[in-house]
Amino acid sequence: NAGVIQTPRHKVTGKGQEATLWCEPISGHSAVFWYRQTIVQGLEFLTYFRNQAPIDDSGMPKERFSAQMPNQSHSTLKIQSTQPQDSAVYLCASSLRYSNERLFFGHGTKLSVL
Amino acid sequence: GQQVKQSSPSLTVQEGGILILNCDYENDMFDYFAWYKKYPDNSPTLLISVRSNVDKREDGRFTVFLNKSGKHFSLHITASQPEDTAVYLCAAGPGGNNKLTFGQGTVLSVIP
Repeated sequence: NAGVIQTPRHKVTGKGQEATLWCEPISGHSAVFWYRQTIVQGLEFLTYFRNQAPIDDSGMPKERFSAQMPNQSHSTLKIQSTQPQDSAVYLCASSLRYSNERLFFGHGTKLSVL
Repeated sequence: GQQVKQSSPSLTVQEGGILILNCDYENDMFDYFAWYKKYPDNSPTLLISVRSNVDKREDGRFTVFLNKSGKHFSLHITASQPEDTAVYLCAAGPGGNNKLTFGQGTVLSVIP
């Protein structure tokens, strides 16, 4: 079991460019979560899928951010027109079914917007 | 606003000592409470968790206490060791199809 896999580990984009982050949850896990980690805000919830369906996207900035889960083996987080304030570590996690179970986190994607 | 708050950004303790990490929450509907541990350059991992039907859960040197009326839970670590040095994140949520909200973390240093 390779755990939750996130790619790339590091991504550097110029201001205004698009960034796509990938997450492969643990096989058999039906819940997938995206969080953003910064020094100032800590670990911020972004969005949550269960059985590929979006459950809660209340943490997603309304503009420029979108997330999808086209199949049970991967989810993507896309940021359009990236801004310096988007710089953060983006963490993906999965659990068997729900948020009140052990979340297994990936190593994260460190996004740097210059 | 911050729904889950950790009062201490950092804490230092001598090896062998007892330490307490605190977490406060605002939402009455929260019924799942957890502590995650994070080493530098690693992702958070679950340390211990408890549901609201109990007010205490112990796992070796780690005990979580829940005070629902005070909207507060804490992590007690006994016989602290240098390898306990890490960031500790509390988390809480209503469970089910609801998100888990994390605190900002407490940086713990255990001095040999």
